[in-house]
Amino acid sequence: GESVGLHLPTLSVQEGDNSIINCAYSNSASDYFIWYKQESGKGPQFIIDIRSNMDKRQGQRVTVLLNKTVKHLSLQIAATQPGDSAVYFCAENKGNNFNKFYFGSGTKLNVKP
Amino acid sequence: NAGVTQTPKFQVLKTGQSMTLQCAQDMNHEYMSWYRQDPGMGLRLIHYSVGAGITDQGEVPNGYNVSRSTTEDFPLRLLSAAPSQTSVYFCASSYSIWGHQPQHFGDGTRLSIL
Repeated sequence: GESVGLHLPTLSVQEGDNSIINCAYSNSASDYFIWYKQESGKGPQFIIDIRSNMDKRQGQRVTVLLNKTVKHLSLQIAATQPGDSAVYFCAENKGNNFNKFYFGSGTKLNVKP
Repeated sequence: NAGVTQTPKFQVLKTGQSMTLQCAQDMNHEYMSWYRQDPGMGLRLIHYSVGAGITDQGEVPNGYNVSRSTTEDFPLRLLSAAPSQTSVYFCASSYSIWGHQPQHFGDGTRLSIL
C-alpha cells in the first residue's frame, strides 16, 4: 500500500461535519502559503492559497485562516464528504525564494460515512 | 492538457544501478522541480530549474543529477542507487518563477532500492 500517511496525525470526522486542519509554519519571513490535498497513490493537488497580507481566504467549501502573530495556518472544510478523505499539508514560501517551498508533513483526514 | 507526466510509476532497482526518472509538462511552465517524499516527512526539494539550461540544487541534492535541455522535460538521474534513495519522487512545475504561484504536481514515481 501507499506509504505516505504513515506516522501522520489523523483527524476523524463524521460526514457532514466541518473539519479544521492546522499547520504551524517556521519562518516569520514567509509570505505565501498553500494547502494541498494528497489522495493515496496521487500527487499533491492544490486546494487554496493565501498571501501574508491577508488573514482569511475562502474557496468552495474551504477557508484558509492565517495568524501571523503565532505563525499558524488552518484549513477549514465545510460539510466534509467521504471524497475529502486524504492527507492535507501546508506549504510556505520563504520570502525571496519565490518558488522554493517548504512543506509540512501533513494530517490525514478520515471521513466516516 | 496532460499537465505533469511522470514515468515510470513504479521501479525496483538494485544497489549501484542507475536510472532516469522522467518528467514532462505541456503547460509551457518555466519552473520545474523534483521532490522526494518519505513517510512522516514533508516533501523535500532535490533540484529545481528556472528555465531551459538552468538548474540548481535544493535541500537534498546528493546522489541526484538533473538537466533541462527543453522547457518541457526535466529528468532526474540516479547515478548509483542506494537504499536511502527508496522514496516516492514527485515532479512539479509552475508557470513563472516570479510571483507567488502554486506548483502543479505529477502523480509520482515509487522507487525501491534493494
